[in-house]
Amino acid sequence: DQQVKQNSPSLSVQEGRISILNCDYTNSMFDYFLWYKKYPAEGPTFLISISSIKDKNEDGRFTVFLNKSAKHLSLHIVPSQPGDSAVYFCAARGDTGTASKLTFGTGTRLQVTL
Amino acid sequence: NAGVTQTPKFQVLKTGQSMTLQCAQDMNHNSMYWYRQDPGMGLRLIYYSASEGTTDKGEVPNGYNVSRLNKREFSLRLESAAPSQTSVYFCATRQGHYGYTFGSGTRLTVV
Repeated sequence: DQQVKQNSPSLSVQEGRISILNCDYTNSMFDYFLWYKKYPAEGPTFLISISSIKDKNEDGRFTVFLNKSAKHLSLHIVPSQPGDSAVYFCAARGDTGTASKLTFGTGTRLQVTL
Repeated sequence: NAGVTQTPKFQVLKTGQSMTLQCAQDMNHNSMYWYRQDPGMGLRLIYYSASEGTTDKGEVPNGYNVSRLNKREFSLRLESAAPSQTSVYFCATRQGHYGYTFGSGTRLTVV
């Protein structure tokens, strides 16, 4: 049972345009959401996060939006750059214990074209 | 600072062979995790260790064992490798309150 879903396996966007990556979740107990970026042959790296008590968090070109009623979050990248080409994973935390386990989505491969 | 170091980076095993994937962190973090990444499946948690001396099963623990040797090291062992364990394995440690720092991965092929 996939609790965190990224329904678009891939996305292609022109340089300078907006990239919108989507993520849906089913577990209403998730209280914190994160986005990770992964280049080939490297481990994922943290990009941006949002608490469930907020609906928006912004960091430079990256903005994450959370719609709790729809159990949906999205990552906006504006403007998109060729270096943004990577696989993006959304993740959710539902464990408030010391382990703080994350559940990851299946990933979306973003290609930013010239 | 190396952060999270995984060895080896690549490994080919025959079905039934055993091996141990090593992970070490120099960030002095308590929690460590092992994930596997498969196409179309994302990252799935195999085992985790909330602190030195404790380990717990994640989403896909079957066929694996772990050892939290000390605060720095968290190893993943395959006792009898199967083709279904062909994957990329990532070790991670918790960074800050919520985020993880990942190693660069071990690409394992079981033939």
